[in-house]
Amino acid sequence: DGGITQSPKYLFRKEGQNVTLSCEQNLNHDAMYWYRQDPGQGLRLIYYSQIVNDFQKGDIAEGYSVSREKKESFPLTVTSAQKNPTAFYLCASAGTGVETQYFGPGTRLLVL
Amino acid sequence: AQKVTQAQTEISVVEKEDVTLDCVYETRDTTYYLFWYKQPPSGELVFLIRRNSFDEQNEISGRYSWNFQKSTSSFNFTITASQVVDSAVYFCALRNPRDSYGGSQGNLIFGKGTKLSVKP
Repeated sequence: DGGITQSPKYLFRKEGQNVTLSCEQNLNHDAMYWYRQDPGQGLRLIYYSQIVNDFQKGDIAEGYSVSREKKESFPLTVTSAQKNPTAFYLCASAGTGVETQYFGPGTRLLVL
Repeated sequence: AQKVTQAQTEISVVEKEDVTLDCVYETRDTTYYLFWYKQPPSGELVFLIRRNSFDEQNEISGRYSWNFQKSTSSFNFTITASQVVDSAVYFCALRNPRDSYGGSQGNLIFGKGTKLSVKP
């Protein structure tokens, strides 16, 4: 079955710790995205990548980093510089052109 | 500036009632795309529909229908004979074909969502 997987489902971060959220897709999509969702809010774009080895900052990139070494994978690292990381993180992918974005099940990040 | 407004924060209906979720958008582009997504309690966003700016034809899919009106910059979503399983947060989103970097793939701009509760 084609789709987008995110892991883990829940993640706990200690103060000063970097954590990495995984996103994998087997839809053969070129573009991948990371969004952050806070309670009662819409989604805000963190980073996106239209092609392997290239990515661009979104609206709220500070405190986050990404890599795109493989077409299928777009991991997001939440660094210690992100002072308010508690949120729901959603990964999405889309084909070339103006294609629909499809979303993974999300990772909920909590701070201990 | 591009913006999506979903003025209804929460709506509560009784099963079998019809309900309309409003979406108003702002964009200066003549070519753009509009989307609706459903977010059930599990959290995953489920794609419902995509509509481009050149196609104002209304669409019906089972109990779901969408009314796109460019004259009022609105893309409203109606659920007929609502069911408990329709309870979710619904997001409207706007996308332009080119992003701010001139790339070929624009990014989604989301409204804040409308939480729909359907009670038995």
